[in-house]
Amino acid sequence: TQLLEQSPQFLSIQEGENLTVYCNSSSVFSSLQWYRQEPGEGPVLLVTVVTGGEVKKLKRLTFQFGDARKDSSLHITAAQPGDTGLYLCADGSSNTGKLIFGQGTTLQVKP
Amino acid sequence: EAQVTQNPRYLITVTGKKLTVTCSQNMNHEYMSWYRQDPGLGLRQIYYSMNVEVTDKGDVPEGYKVSRKEKRNFPLILESPSPNQTSLYFCASRLATGASKQYFGPGTRLTVT
Repeated sequence: TQLLEQSPQFLSIQEGENLTVYCNSSSVFSSLQWYRQEPGEGPVLLVTVVTGGEVKKLKRLTFQFGDARKDSSLHITAAQPGDTGLYLCADGSSNTGKLIFGQGTTLQVKP
Repeated sequence: EAQVTQNPRYLITVTGKKLTVTCSQNMNHEYMSWYRQDPGLGLRQIYYSMNVEVTDKGDVPEGYKVSRKEKRNFPLILESPSPNQTSLYFCASRLATGASKQYFGPGTRLTVT
């Protein structure tokens, strides 16, 4: 069974700081998704990465997929309080449609 | 608007009293699933369905039932709720392909006393 490990589990930073969170697997991903979940809501998809070495940008968020497709990172530049939430990575490799989620990184950005 | 709806959003009930949480999606997705989310344990899949009349157990199916009589609906049934089923529940749907986006409902906060 594919296991996803996310680190760190918790992160509390000041507004304006940069941060990186990681998602690592014991196996190769065919595709990897990043979701953000705000308090009281369901997770919302941020990005899907498919190709090894791929880099995608979403405003201040930069997503990178490892060359070997076994790891991914999410970098946030100049974090804002609105970035506060739970960040989840998910493996979409299964051909049944099942997504396997990591435990998540809880990010708190203080004003 | 593409969405997954679930009801109720909040529910407080007592041990043993049967309940149903409804879930509906308007995107004609084949794949639907239920998750529970607990502090420190992340999102755990309860049941999933790949299409009408096709359901299967996820990682934590004990104490739950589901049905998929229509493509758009996927209710979660707790026949005899217990306090350890107190949790935040999410319904989700997606096309049944690896890279497709998963849409989540707004969540149901269930408390069993």
